[in-house]
Amino acid sequence: AQSVTQLGSHVSVSEGALVLLRCNYSSSVPPYLFWYVQYPNQGLQLLLKYTTGATLVKGINGFEAEFKKSETSFHLTKPSAHMSDAAEYFCAVRGSTLGRLYFGRGTQLTVWP
Amino acid sequence: GAGVSQSPSNKVTEKGKDVELRCDPISGHTALYWYRQSLGQGLEFLIYFQGNSAPDKSGLPSDRFSAERTGGSVSTLTIQRTQQEDSAVYLCASSSVLRGAQETQYFGPGTRLLVL
Repeated sequence: AQSVTQLGSHVSVSEGALVLLRCNYSSSVPPYLFWYVQYPNQGLQLLLKYTTGATLVKGINGFEAEFKKSETSFHLTKPSAHMSDAAEYFCAVRGSTLGRLYFGRGTQLTVWP
Repeated sequence: GAGVSQSPSNKVTEKGKDVELRCDPISGHTALYWYRQSLGQGLEFLIYFQGNSAPDKSGLPSDRFSAERTGGSVSTLTIQRTQQEDSAVYLCASSSVLRGAQETQYFGPGTRLLVL
């Protein structure tokens, strides 16, 4: 079975500050991991995903995430926040078969000017 | 090409009425998923289609909910005798199957359902 825990339902940062959104997963098989972003009144958009290979994954809009198997983590970071990054972010995991994604509860990111 | 589309974008209905929500996946995507997003409940999985069959319908909350997919393309989610707790945003996603579990799910904009 798979599950995801996102620590912190709300994160606030100042513009230009580091963004760190935490995600820990549980999976009985090697996982595939995803980060999605949702802007108000829109669907989910893929930011990045880890499948195999390099554990540091770069995504769109300057975001990146590192897969750490020993810590069962896949935290999302961005060196310098921008006002346009304000949105809700979801971490998701999937096991070895095509099927549903298991989502975390989401983290609402607020960026202060 | 075009992304996942859903209709209607908004639906207001009265308690007890039936509603149909439609999803048009990305052309060529044989996998299709329905999720529900409501305040306090996060993203809930409803059902997964592979072609026209549904190997996983474990997330459907009650027998008032049903879904079908025809021609391996369009899917309809039907809610019978709607209740106020059905109010939510219903999201559809589709994906290719070529690389199995690595494939990305692409989401539509959702249908916002309000049951009065």
